[in-house]
Amino acid sequence: RKEVEQDPGPFNVPEGATVAFNCTYSNSASQSFFWYRQDCRKEPKLLMSVYSSGNEDGRFTAQLNRASQYISLLIRDSKLSDSATYLCVVNLGGYNKLIFGAGTRLAVHP
Amino acid sequence: DAGVIQSPRHEVTEMGQEVTLRCKPISGHNSLFWYRQTMMRGLELLIYFNNNVPIDDSGMPEDRFSAKMPNASFSTLKIQPSEPRDSAVYFCASSPAGTGTSPLHFGNGTRLTVT
Repeated sequence: RKEVEQDPGPFNVPEGATVAFNCTYSNSASQSFFWYRQDCRKEPKLLMSVYSSGNEDGRFTAQLNRASQYISLLIRDSKLSDSATYLCVVNLGGYNKLIFGAGTRLAVHP
Repeated sequence: DAGVIQSPRHEVTEMGQEVTLRCKPISGHNSLFWYRQTMMRGLELLIYFNNNVPIDDSGMPEDRFSAKMPNASFSTLKIQPSEPRDSAVYFCASSPAGTGTSPLHFGNGTRLTVT
């Protein structure tokens, strides 16, 4: 089993749609979770951290389910500019060893 | 803040040649990471340093790969000899703390092509 698994997509959605991505992780001791966004031929950039109680940042909501070892990202009212690959990131122990999922590609169309 | 600086942006070399990739982390960041990204394998962690000390190099694919961090502001990733399967985008990233709670700040990457 991979350490971090994501549905690769692509998710093709119209503007204004709500879309959700899930990610599962294998190490129950993981403590830090993030969602990154990567545009084509660019470096990954932090979208948001994921907190135990769930957190929201504008149109983006992240949830953590420790019992089932998955995290999710919900995007409401999708914009064309949301088109990108979304990477789930989990730490595997101390010293900030961060492992990336393969990414889920989102394409928002008019 | 200049961000993480990598050089070169692009590198094209022939099989068997030595390749050296360079990285300057964000000032004050204690942790530095080297990742490799390909279409087939995604982003793979190669090695990471904390306070200039290599902590985990289990992701380094073979002995042809080596990484150093002689001081807090500079790191290199060397491939010798290079092979076509090493072609990828190599990212350097840094973070302010090594506690497992800090997100990473990535450089622009070095796109390596080995022919």
